[in-house]
Amino acid sequence: EAQVTQNPRYLITVTGKKLTVTCSQNMNHEYMSWYRQDPGLGLRQIYYSMNVEVTDKGDVPEGYKVSRKEKRNFPLILESPSPNQTSLYFCASSPTGGRGNEQFFGPGTRLTVL
Amino acid sequence: GENVEQHPSTLSVQEGDSAVIKCTYSDSASNYFPWYKQELGKGPQLIIDIRSNVGEKKDQRIAVTLNKTAKHFSLHITETQPEDSAVYFCAARNTGRRALTFGSGTRLQVQP
Repeated sequence: EAQVTQNPRYLITVTGKKLTVTCSQNMNHEYMSWYRQDPGLGLRQIYYSMNVEVTDKGDVPEGYKVSRKEKRNFPLILESPSPNQTSLYFCASSPTGGRGNEQFFGPGTRLTVL
Repeated sequence: GENVEQHPSTLSVQEGDSAVIKCTYSDSASNYFPWYKQELGKGPQLIIDIRSNVGEKKDQRIAVTLNKTAKHFSLHITETQPEDSAVYFCAARNTGRRALTFGSGTRLQVQP
């Protein structure tokens, strides 16, 4: 089944404790992206990657890191999480980053930073 | 950068009625406008999209209209059913920026 998977689905952590949220897609997509979803703000892009070893900042990149060593994986890293990073996170992928290509979203990761 | 505003934030309709959700965008260079449906506990899923060279697109009970001059686009759902209940997001993108900018979402509730 073609899909985007994220792990973990739920995570409660404390301020300053490094964490990684994994994202994997099995559709051989070049483009991958991370979004955060907050009430009343919709989804905002954190980082995106056009292909392996190519990453770029989205609208809200502060406090996050990403890497794209393999085409299928795009982990999101929070080196020192803070409470304002409590949010619902979605990974997405699409065949290319150009206009008109559907983005497929993962099921989401709900992160709480105490 | 692009700014997308979406209204209303909540919408309640009776089963069988129509529902309309409206979005405006700020960047005249935006040329792709998708609509996503998000069900509880799931990620957003594309339901329909429209490109800037088209004024209207329809897929069964769902239609989207685009007014480039006024920079607004709308989602129309006819003959609503309880399974249409979800949060709907509009988005806009231009080729140069390659990122989707989302509206704040509309929670649609269809009352049986």
